[in-house]
Amino acid sequence: QVQLQESGPGLVKPSETLSLTCTVSGGSISSYYWSWIRQPPGKGLEWIGYIYYSGSTNYNPSLKSRVTISVDTSKNQFSLKLSSVTAADTAVYYCAKEYVDTAMVPRGWFDPWGQGTLVTVSS
Amino acid sequence: EIVLTQSPATLSLSPGERATLSCRASQSVSSYLAWYQQKPGQAPRLLIYDASNRATGIPARFSGSGSGTDFTLTISSLEPEDFAVYYCQQRSNWPPVFTFGPGTKVDIK
Repeated sequence: QVQLQESGPGLVKPSETLSLTCTVSGGSISSYYWSWIRQPPGKGLEWIGYIYYSGSTNYNPSLKSRVTISVDTSKNQFSLKLSSVTAADTAVYYCAKEYVDTAMVPRGWFDPWGQGTLVTVSS
Repeated sequence: EIVLTQSPATLSLSPGERATLSCRASQSVSSYLAWYQQKPGQAPRLLIYDASNRATGIPARFSGSGSGTDFTLTISSLEPEDFAVYYCQQRSNWPPVFTFGPGTKVDIK
């Protein structure tokens, strides 16, 4: 079955760019939608954005000006860049796959998820 | 933007009791609602999709119901491993934006 694994620096300085990669194993990245979701310590979940394997993207309006999600199908990976970070961006960052049905229509729920990676913004 | 509200914020129950969790949407989401369980230090796990369908491997004691703006997750008889935080989530059609509720913590009484 498909498994996802996040990787990247655990510490980022304020005003710099947070960069994370999600590696997909056990299946192809093609034909699916892939999302980034974050969770500040002790708080709830916030969807950041998604990318389709073809490269089309959609972002949370609240983060849109600072977010870029890209895909590398040759490596079965997709990546997140979040610019101009502040302490408010400290969170566990998850990557997740959106389920698509047999007609390749995205259905709006996430399964599976990666285990998550904590990124702390601090000088 | 569709806002999801969950109640109660915390539910204190004993093993074997029935848990009833509520999720309300600020506008109709039809049946496009999912429920997740999250334990400390773990990623969320999909429990229910399309409001009432159990995900693969989810025990029958978990059930979902509702449509439109009001949804319920029921755990018929709490097992020790069910004490966790539960989130509801929806995706709006256009623009396709995903939102989560604030969560309900089910803890041991």
